[in-house]
Amino acid sequence: KAGVTQTPRYLIKTRGQQVTLSCSPISGHRSVSWYQQTPGQGLQFLFEYFSETQRNKGNFPGRFSGRQFSNSRSEMNVSTLELGDSALYLCASSLALGSGGAYNEQFFGPGTRLTVL
Amino acid sequence: KNEVEQSPQNLTAQEGEFITINCSYSVGISALHWLQQHPGGGIVSLFMLSSGKKKHGRLIATINIQEKHSSLHITASHPRDSAVYICAVTTGNQFYFGTGTSLTVIP
Repeated sequence: KAGVTQTPRYLIKTRGQQVTLSCSPISGHRSVSWYQQTPGQGLQFLFEYFSETQRNKGNFPGRFSGRQFSNSRSEMNVSTLELGDSALYLCASSLALGSGGAYNEQFFGPGTRLTVL
Repeated sequence: KNEVEQSPQNLTAQEGEFITINCSYSVGISALHWLQQHPGGGIVSLFMLSSGKKKHGRLIATINIQEKHSSLHITASHPRDSAVYICAVTTGNQFYFGTGTSLTVIP
């Protein structure tokens, strides 16, 4: 079974631009969660999608948004990029057989490394 | 305020040593996760537990819900265990992460 894939793997943008990152979960997984990892703040939870609905959200500004498609693939968008958005963005999928992805084992993708200049 | 605290931050061990990494948390949780991150970024979930103890090969994870504490043990450590180990907890709708323990195992 193929693992979680993320595209692109590396991205360079300039301040003020917007960016869209993509995540394809493991086949059969219905929950996709997104995380930001920086040297200063470590790993932080962005949001979780299940059945095309955002179910949980971390403490990030509205510039960070996402969506999930009917095939469970998910995209994350960051608008009006700031230097501080430079980070490794990870997505993870889970079966979510229970009440949410947060309660199930997470399978992580390789991440997208975003650099904002 | 950090919901999840890990110790130690850095750990160097000789091959074959028994290793313990500790995690304390301050929120009510639904589950606790231990994650492993190798250089380059890839993260692997090692354990998810809400009570008791789990074992996979040389790795053992325990949790004490009353004391809000978990430990990850590595028996007979090996250089390939060198990685960052991250403790994470899930509440009703949030995911909180520790800052990680960087482990280096020297041959």
